Amino acid sequence: GQNIDQPTEMTATEGAIVQINCTYQTSGFNGLFWYQQHAGEAPTFLSYNVLDGLEEKGRFSSFLSRSKGYSYLLLKELQMKDSASYLCAVERNAGNMLTFGGGTRLMVKP
Amino acid sequence: KAGVTQTPRYLIKTRGQQVTLSCSPISGHRSVSWYQQTPGQGLQFLFEYFSETQRNKGNFPGRFSGRQFSNSRSEMNVSTLELGDSALYLCASSLGQSPYEQYFGPGTRLTVT
Repeated sequence: GQNIDQPTEMTATEGAIVQINCTYQTSGFNGLFWYQQHAGEAPTFLSYNVLDGLEEKGRFSSFLSRSKGYSYLLLKELQMKDSASYLCAVERNAGNMLTFGGGTRLMVKP
Repeated sequence: KAGVTQTPRYLIKTRGQQVTLSCSPISGHRSVSWYQQTPGQGLQFLFEYFSETQRNKGNFPGRFSGRQFSNSRSEMNVSTLELGDSALYLCASSLGQSPYEQYFGPGTRLTVT
């Protein structure tokens, strides 16, 4: 079976840095996605990691360790608009079928 | 490039009825995936269609079905609706090859009374 775990909620301060962790157990792992979802809206793509290491994209970075079944999303210089749910999703080599974690609701406070 | 569109955006149905939802993918995308999102279960994969064929299927009962047309547009059907089917139904399109970066539509909010 598959298991993807993320913290349910996190709170951080505007301008700070926050790290959202995701651990997974799955067979046939191919890659890991991070999506952002604002309340009432559709998820939007943030990042994709297939190799170990850090992928940086502006204020957002994502890290993957395949051997540890672990990923994190790092958000720097937090802004109020970053308040949203962040979903990690595992891509398996069986094809185009993403399995999502429950999502982490991030609240950014002034 | 136009994004993924879904119709209708909101729908209210009664238990026992059936419903059809529609999804138009981004131009050039051949894969359409359907997800159900509820507060309790999160985002759950229903099925994926690629070139008019169901390529992957999640763990949902047979009341949930879908199809894809030659222009890549997809429809999802739920028969004999139950209260628990109330959810946001999202479709996502992609090119259909790894990395399977998916672009989501705005969703259809289905309420079953």
